[in-house]
Amino acid sequence: QKEVEQDPGPLSVPEGAIVSLNCTYSNSAFQYFMWYRQYSRKGPELLMYTYSSGNKEDGRFTAQVDKSSKYISLFIRDSQPSDSATYLCAMSDYKLSFGAGTTVTVRA
Amino acid sequence: DVKVTQSSRYLVKRTGEKVFLECVQDMDHENMFWYRQDPGLGLRLIYFSYDVKMKEKGDIPEGYSVSREKKERFSLILESASTNQTSMYLCASSDRGTNTEAFFGQGTRLTVV
Repeated sequence: QKEVEQDPGPLSVPEGAIVSLNCTYSNSAFQYFMWYRQYSRKGPELLMYTYSSGNKEDGRFTAQVDKSSKYISLFIRDSQPSDSATYLCAMSDYKLSFGAGTTVTVRA
Repeated sequence: DVKVTQSSRYLVKRTGEKVFLECVQDMDHENMFWYRQDPGLGLRLIYFSYDVKMKEKGDIPEGYSVSREKKERFSLILESASTNQTSMYLCASSDRGTNTEAFFGQGTRLTVV
């Protein structure tokens, strides 16, 4: 069983829709939970991170962590075509472990 | 502007060749990582290093080795390249503390023929 599970999609939504992404994990030692965004032919870049359980909001992006369920989510409100990318969840104890990534396309 | 630089964007090698992928970071980070990225499998950790001359195996170390002689440089070595090592290779670095933000290079697309 992989430590981090993420549905690779792809996901296609119309502009303005809410995008919902999620990951599950098995390692209880993970303390930091991150979301990275990767545009085509580029390396991933950190979007946001949360520590332990709870919510974090940054503009149109909201990250949620539920450690009791070993489940994390990312929501993108009012999605834009520029949000089209692959989104990867990542988790950290002493090393970084990534999910498979979900490819999102926002249609104009 | 912070940078992680990988030596090549594209590389084509023959089966059995010894291949070196180089990565340099300018942020004085303690941690450095090598991942490979394949469709549907995401980023899989090959090796990481948390200090000079220190290394630890990741999830898929077979067929690879690494070298970290200087803090800013982390090399990935394919001892005898095989076709199943055709992939995108990504190097990253991060601060030792929380490991919350890793900075990635642009990637090296390696094709083994």
